[in-house]
Amino acid sequence: AQKITQTQPGMFVQEKEAVTLDCTYDTSDPSYGLFWYKQPSSGEMIFLIYQGSYDQQNATEGRYSLNFQKARKSANLVISASQLGDSAMYFCAMRERNTGGFKTIFGAGTRLFVKA
Amino acid sequence: DAGITQSPRHKVTETGTPVTLRCHQTENHRYMYWYRQDPGHGLRLIHYSYGVKDTDKGEVSDGYSVSRSKTEDFLLTLESATSSQTSVYFCAISELAGGTDTQYFGPGTRLTVL
Repeated sequence: AQKITQTQPGMFVQEKEAVTLDCTYDTSDPSYGLFWYKQPSSGEMIFLIYQGSYDQQNATEGRYSLNFQKARKSANLVISASQLGDSAMYFCAMRERNTGGFKTIFGAGTRLFVKA
Repeated sequence: DAGITQSPRHKVTETGTPVTLRCHQTENHRYMYWYRQDPGHGLRLIHYSYGVKDTDKGEVSDGYSVSRSKTEDFLLTLESATSSQTSVYFCAISELAGGTDTQYFGPGTRLTVL
């Protein structure tokens, strides 16, 4: 079974509009972390935002927010006021405990296209 | 800038040859990771290290070995490269800081096995 699922292979959004990228996860570890990364066409992986499983409030970082619905096991990324530079691949990831420390599992990614 | 470098950045090699990729960090982070990235699969963990000489397997470890003799260096070795190991390889580091354990990535190494 997939531990991290991103159901949207590609998304289009108009510049200046908001967009939601979906992510669902599955874990039995009560203490886990959820992450979003951005990968522009240049290839680097850029950390965007983190949400801990015990955090009561949704994480926010500038124009990025994470819509955390624990009971539904979803961790959607919301980008407000999209910009052309937001066009990239976006990966959702989950960290859970493993022997010797923690393991992070990534989803397959969503490619976001921002239209002018 | 997490101070992570990878070398080489690009490599073309032939099937059956050994290949070693190097990840170097400057900030003494405890955890280091090797991932491969392939279309449709996101990033998949190959091996990781939780300290000098302490390593463990990830989900796609077959055909790969790692070594960490110093805190700052984590080496990934393909003993006998195969075409299925053509991929982009990312190194990452993390430190348990405030419980976030955020991973920061190096620039990646593009490996082509002919």
